[in-house]
Amino acid sequence: DGGITQSPKYLFRKEGQNVTLSCEQNLNHDAMYWYRQDPGQGLRLIYYSQIVNDFQKGDIAEGYSVSREKKESFPLTVTSAQKNPTAFYLCASSREGSNQPQHFGDGTRLSIL
Amino acid sequence: DAKTTQPTSMDCAEGRAANLPCNHSTISGNEYVYWYRQIHSQGPQYIIHGLKNNETNEMASLIITEDRKSSTLILPHATLRDTAVYYCIVRVTNTGGFKTIFGAGTRLFVKA
Repeated sequence: DGGITQSPKYLFRKEGQNVTLSCEQNLNHDAMYWYRQDPGQGLRLIYYSQIVNDFQKGDIAEGYSVSREKKESFPLTVTSAQKNPTAFYLCASSREGSNQPQHFGDGTRLSIL
Repeated sequence: DAKTTQPTSMDCAEGRAANLPCNHSTISGNEYVYWYRQIHSQGPQYIIHGLKNNETNEMASLIITEDRKSSTLILPHATLRDTAVYYCIVRVTNTGGFKTIFGAGTRLFVKA
């Protein structure tokens, strides 16, 4: 079945470590996105990419980095510069075109040890 | 950026229609209204979207007012599995990209 796969589902990080969250899609979508969600809050955009080898900062990009070397993959690295990384991270993708709905993965929950 | 306003929470009896309102008074002419829902600890699920006309699919109906300043998502026969947070979103489009602004949404409780 086509969809978006995020891994791992749960991730623990020691302070000062960088960690990378995986996001893979087999929907042949051009655009991909990373969001952060804190308890009881809505989603905030971290980064998005509309095409391979290109990506744009969202509202809260500080302390995060991404790459888009392949159409189907958009990994997110949470760096040690991110002071409050504990959150639920969601990846999404959509077809080309500004009016296409986004399809989401089931998220990765990151916690600091 | 266009912003949406939704009630914090709503209740609905199982089997009845759930009507979820959304205000988007600053919406511009080329912006679509989208609805998603999120069940606890899962990713949001796309429900429906529209521009001007009312829309219906297998999950729900979307009613948009003529002035486009508000809309209502209708779940015609709510079930317990429809308990979730429902997000009303207006897509912002600008040069070089676009972003989707998710607010806190409406927490819908469907009760037996």
